[in-house]
Amino acid sequence: GENVEQHPSTLSVQEGDSAVIKCTYSDSASNYFPWYKQELGKRPQLIIDIRSNVGEKKDQRIAVTLNKTAKHFSLHITETQPEDSAVYFCAASLSGYSTLTFGKGTMLLVSP
Amino acid sequence: DTGVSQNPRHKITKRGQNVTFRCDPISEHNRLYWYRQTLGQGPEFLTYFQNEAQLEKSRLLSDRFSAERPKGSFSTLEIQRTEQGDSAMYLCASSLVEGDRPYGYTFGSGTRLTVV
Repeated sequence: GENVEQHPSTLSVQEGDSAVIKCTYSDSASNYFPWYKQELGKRPQLIIDIRSNVGEKKDQRIAVTLNKTAKHFSLHITETQPEDSAVYFCAASLSGYSTLTFGKGTMLLVSP
Repeated sequence: DTGVSQNPRHKITKRGQNVTFRCDPISEHNRLYWYRQTLGQGPEFLTYFQNEAQLEKSRLLSDRFSAERPKGSFSTLEIQRTEQGDSAMYLCASSLVEGDRPYGYTFGSGTRLTVV
C-alpha cells in the first residue's frame, strides 16, 4: 500500500518568515495530494491540493509543488502569521475521491 | 447544512463495553469515510461507503468494528468489546464524486473515545 513520509515533525519560525514542509510517497500511481491544517481539538481542514498533472499550485500565501519523478511534494507558506500555527498533514490518494494516506504531521509554531 | 456532523463529541467507556458513533455527512455527498486518529499521528483510513454500499475496509478494521450506512445518508460505527487500544479520535469525512471529479473532501470534528 501507499506510504507517506513527512518532514520535519516540528517547525518553528518567526512571524513573516517562510515555512516549508516536505512529503514523499511510495506509490507512483498516486495522483492526488491534499494538505490539511488541524488546530488543536479541531477537524482537519483542506487548505490546498494538487493533482499529478500539475507541478505547482498557489493560493495567496500558500503554494504546493509536486515532483512526480522523485515522488515528493511540498507545502510552502510565505509571510507566516501566528494564526498559521497548527499541525499540517500531507496526504496521497490514488484518485481525488479515494482513501487518503496521511503523513504523521508537522507542528508549525509561528512566533510573533 | 453546515458540514459533516459527528455525535457524540466525546465518549468515555469501560473496557469491554460496546460503543456506537454517528456521522451525518454533507447532504449532497455520496461518499462517506471513517478514519481513526491517535495522538501525534495522521488520520488512518478505516472504511468507506459509496451511497449505502461499503466498498473498502482497512485491515485496521478488526471484527470488533462494524460500520453501516443503511439508507445512504448517515452512518454508524460500532466497536464491540472495547479495548484500551481503541482510544482515539474517530473522524468521519464525506465527499461528492461525479465522474472522475471529486468535490469537497470534508472532515467532521470527530468523536474522541476514551476506554478506561
